[in-house]
Order: sequence, then C-alpha cells, then structure tokens
Amino acid sequence: GIQVEQSPPDLILQEGANSTLRCNFSDSVNNLQWFHQNPWGQLINLFYIPSGTKQNGRLSATTVATERYSLLYISSSQTTDSGVYFCAVEASGTYKYIFGTGTRLKVLA
Amino acid sequence: SAVISQKPSRDICQRGTSLTIQCQVDSQVTMMFWYRQQPGQSLTLIATANQGSEATYESGFVIDKFPISRPNLTFSTLTVSNMSPEDSSIYLCSVSGGGELFFGEGSRLTVL
Repeated sequence: GIQVEQSPPDLILQEGANSTLRCNFSDSVNNLQWFHQNPWGQLINLFYIPSGTKQNGRLSATTVATERYSLLYISSSQTTDSGVYFCAVEASGTYKYIFGTGTRLKVLA
Repeated sequence: SAVISQKPSRDICQRGTSLTIQCQVDSQVTMMFWYRQQPGQSLTLIATANQGSEATYESGFVIDKFPISRPNLTFSTLTVSNMSPEDSSIYLCSVSGGGELFFGEGSRLTVL
C-alpha cells in the first residue's frame, strides 16, 4: 500500500519563527489533506489540497502531485500552533485516506 | 462539511469487557470510516462501513475484535471486544464529502 512519510518528526520553534513541514507519498493520489491535532486530541482540518497552493492566514500549503509531495508553511508561529500536524492521502484507485507519520510541533513563548 | 457526533467522548473500562462507540452524522453518507490512534502514534484505519453490507477491515483488524454496524446512512457503531490495556486509544469516526475527510471529536478509551 501507499506509504506517507512526514518530516521533520519533531520541531521546536520560538514564537514568531517560520517553519516548513513536508509530506512525501509513495504513489499517485486523488486527494490530500493537512490536519492539526491540538493538545486535547481534536483534529482540525487545515487544508484540502490535492494539487496547487492555498493560503489561510498565517498558514499555506502546496501540493505537487506529480512529484509526490506536499508542504505546509507556518509563518509567525504562535504557541497555539503547538500540537501534531498530519497529512493524509487518498491513493488513486482507493476511497481510503491513509495518514502520515506526523510532525510534532512545539512553539515556545 | 459534515457534523459528526461520537459517544462516549471518553471511558475507562476493565480488562475483558466490551464497549460500543456510537457515531452520528448530520447528513446521509455512503461510507463511514473508523480509525484508531494509539498513544503517541498516527491514525490507523480500522475499517470502512457501508450501509447494507459488511464492513471492510484493514490488515491487522478482524470483525470478532471490532464488530461494526451500519444500520442506516447517518449512523454507525464500533464495538471494541474483550478489551486489553493495548486497546487504550482514541477511536475516531469519519466521513468523506466531496473528497474531503471530516472527523468527530473521538472517543478516548482507557483499559485498566
């Protein structure tokens, strides 16, 4: 089955810093999403981005499906950005979303 | 988007017992998905539940341990049977709409 790897696995930032999170996948995909899981365990949809670039406030994402990767950019990070970021992909020919390994982010005040 | 409600939100159970988790969606959906998130890990798909047919289980998950019901297009249940401490996890129900995946708030299960 498709493999979804995220990097880095852990990241510590000072408040105000910028960061880039990466998601690599091993096969072609129909759909791709980014999620933020806050410290209370709630999963928050950040972006539905099977291709192209989207922006929402301080966050933006880019997916290059032909090269099998997606990037999530966080600018001017805040302590509330702390948590785990997951990408999830729906492999072509399936209807199932497979989750990546996650990036655990901690933003220090 | 879809609004998904799960019950219970959390529970503490004794080894050897079973617990049923309910998932209610505010609109009719063809497929519902059940995921498990073990402590410190990513989400793993347990099974896909289609209305009117048997659930389809992923490798490593079996119906005897995780029986699923899907009586209509807005509701599903997942039972965790004969629990052990290794079953302590967050169990999440999700649905797909327009290609996008939506989640309930999850059921946090602790097995003693």
